[in-house]
Amino acid sequence: GAVVSQHPSRVICKSGTSVKIECRSLDFQATTMFWYRQFPKQSLMLMATSNEGSKATYEQGVEKDKFLINHASLTLSTLTVTSAHPEDSSFYICSASGSSEPYEQYFGPGTRLTVT
Amino acid sequence: GQNIDQPTEMTATEGAIVQINCTYQTSGFNGLFWYQQHAGEAPTFLSYNVLDGLEEKGRFSSFLSRSKGYSYLLLKELQMKDSASYLCAVLDSNYQLIWGAGTKLIIKP
Repeated sequence: GAVVSQHPSRVICKSGTSVKIECRSLDFQATTMFWYRQFPKQSLMLMATSNEGSKATYEQGVEKDKFLINHASLTLSTLTVTSAHPEDSSFYICSASGSSEPYEQYFGPGTRLTVT
Repeated sequence: GQNIDQPTEMTATEGAIVQINCTYQTSGFNGLFWYQQHAGEAPTFLSYNVLDGLEEKGRFSSFLSRSKGYSYLLLKELQMKDSASYLCAVLDSNYQLIWGAGTKLIIKP
């Protein structure tokens, strides 16, 4: 099956700093990549959808200037959390889908971000 | 609006069978997915249904009725490792995945 990697798996940063998370599709070309956030004991929350070479589409309530998404190639998307605050501490998960049906999403292993 | 309903939590016994239901109301339908998510981990794909009927894959089966907006995931011969959250998700007419809140399944010995 398709493999999606995510790096780093865990990161601790100080309040006010920025953190970059990488998402790579290792064995297929991902037309679309998705970024999710999940707080403890809560459901997945879609943050944004990005297509290669175009601007990301953010969900309502997600600040695009705070969560910068770049989808520079068909195998790499990055999420940068700028000026992180403790309330940004969460589990960030990326997924990637191909260009043909059923457009199944393949998930990366997730990144646990802790902002101190 | 778009809505997916599934029970919040279910409990079952090791070795038994459990059925997790999912009902949906979405703008269009291009398939329904079931994912499994263990605590602290990302979701993993279990099944995909786009036509009515039952899809069987080992101990797991998934059923779909498009006319009723209904699906279920059936887990047989339950094992302790099946304790996880099970997420139902529907691909709508824009090929956007609409997620349910998930069903936490607790397996007791």
